[in-house]
Amino acid sequence: EVQLVESGGVVVQPGGSLRLSCAASGFTFDDYAMHWVRQAPGKGLEWVSLISWDGGSTYYADSVKGRFTISRDNSKNSLYLQMNSLRAEDTALYYCAKDGAGGDYYFDYWGQGTLVTVSS
Amino acid sequence: QSALTQPASVSGSPGQSITISCTGTSSDVGGYNYVSWYQQHPGKAPKLMIYEVSNRPSGVSNRFSGSKSGNTASLTISGLQAEDEADYYCSSYTSSSTHVVFGGGTKLTVL
Repeated sequence: EVQLVESGGVVVQPGGSLRLSCAASGFTFDDYAMHWVRQAPGKGLEWVSLISWDGGSTYYADSVKGRFTISRDNSKNSLYLQMNSLRAEDTALYYCAKDGAGGDYYFDYWGQGTLVTVSS
Repeated sequence: QSALTQPASVSGSPGQSITISCTGTSSDVGGYNYVSWYQQHPGKAPKLMIYEVSNRPSGVSNRFSGSKSGNTASLTISGLQAEDEADYYCSSYTSSSTHVVFGGGTKLTVL
């Protein structure tokens, strides 16, 4: 059974930093690209970032480019999101999602999310 | 403003069929067969319902179907049931630097 478990969400002040983690199990982690998707309270889904199976390629939404860094450790079956210079508008539930296939950009499994609140 | 345009809400009675549209451009929906649809119940994570425009994952009811014409993709739910009441989101690959875009979401109400 595929499982994705996010952690690391807390309340952080504007301008602060945070690292989210996602522990994956139930599939061959290093065979798949992975994504972060977020959802602000009461709002829709927003794609945040994508990392290739080997970590060699990364992509970001314009809203987080230059502030967030996605990474992975295939030896630990783990995905990460380093978030710097946090803003109030980054407040959201952050989901880790598995890419469905090689480069088809759909999300076939999702975690339950970890809540990041940016507030003073 | 979302990159893909969906109606804010749709409704239907049990047993009826409804269609949710998702309009983009030739740089996303119209240019690639990488449209997917997600169902999200309140307080739950999204669930993949359709991928690559019209493919259904294992375990998803065949009452759900997807299609595309030009720059607009559609999700059709036939034989509407109470448990279909949820938010629905479309997503597409985009040739822009961001790679993935979502629609703003559509709230489906089963009357």
